[in-house]
Amino acid sequence: SQKIEQNSEALNIQEGKTATLTCNYTNYSPAYLQWYRQDPGRGPVFLLLIRENEKEKRKERLKVTFDTTLKQSLFHITASQPADSATYLCALPMDSNYQLIWGAGTKLIIKP
Amino acid sequence: EAGVAQSPRYKIIEKRQSVAFWCNPISGHATLYWYQQILGQGPKLLIQFQNNGVVDDSQLPKDRFSAERLKGVDSTLKIQPAKLEDSAVYLCASSPRGGTTVGELFFGEGSRLTVL
Repeated sequence: SQKIEQNSEALNIQEGKTATLTCNYTNYSPAYLQWYRQDPGRGPVFLLLIRENEKEKRKERLKVTFDTTLKQSLFHITASQPADSATYLCALPMDSNYQLIWGAGTKLIIKP
Repeated sequence: EAGVAQSPRYKIIEKRQSVAFWCNPISGHATLYWYQQILGQGPKLLIQFQNNGVVDDSQLPKDRFSAERLKGVDSTLKIQPAKLEDSAVYLCASSPRGGTTVGELFFGEGSRLTVL
């Protein structure tokens, strides 16, 4: 069955630098992949969706790439700010079922 | 636009007791999801409703968990009897879409359950 791997260790980045988070999946390539942000004690908030035929998607300081050969999505935050500190989750459809499965998330810490 | 409302935010119970969580999705959203999120893990789907019908409850522990969405609007998730391993945050999400098109999900703040 499909599995998602995200870095379990927190990622510490200096303010102003680019933060890059990784989402790897194990089996088939999904039709799309989503990224969410989750703050402590809050529900996830949708950020971006990228489809399998899209190599890259941008939204303000956010950029997502999708490499079906590597079975990987990268999530970039440019000009990072302390307010970007949060846990970032990736999610994609499970097998031929359209239900989403979720990674455990990567905690991002932006230091001033 | 009001977001997804959940209550209570926090609940502490003893094992073998029962608990119920309530969710009111965004107005007009046909699809409603209940997720369980254990600390340090991603959300795990428990049940999905489209309007007032169940689309997927394959991961719902039906011996102790039940959920309903009467009238296709708000929903209740019940656990009876609770076990220690049920300690988690229960997230409700809604989506205007349904079927095989899963777009953006809108989540509530969650209900944190502690079972002692």
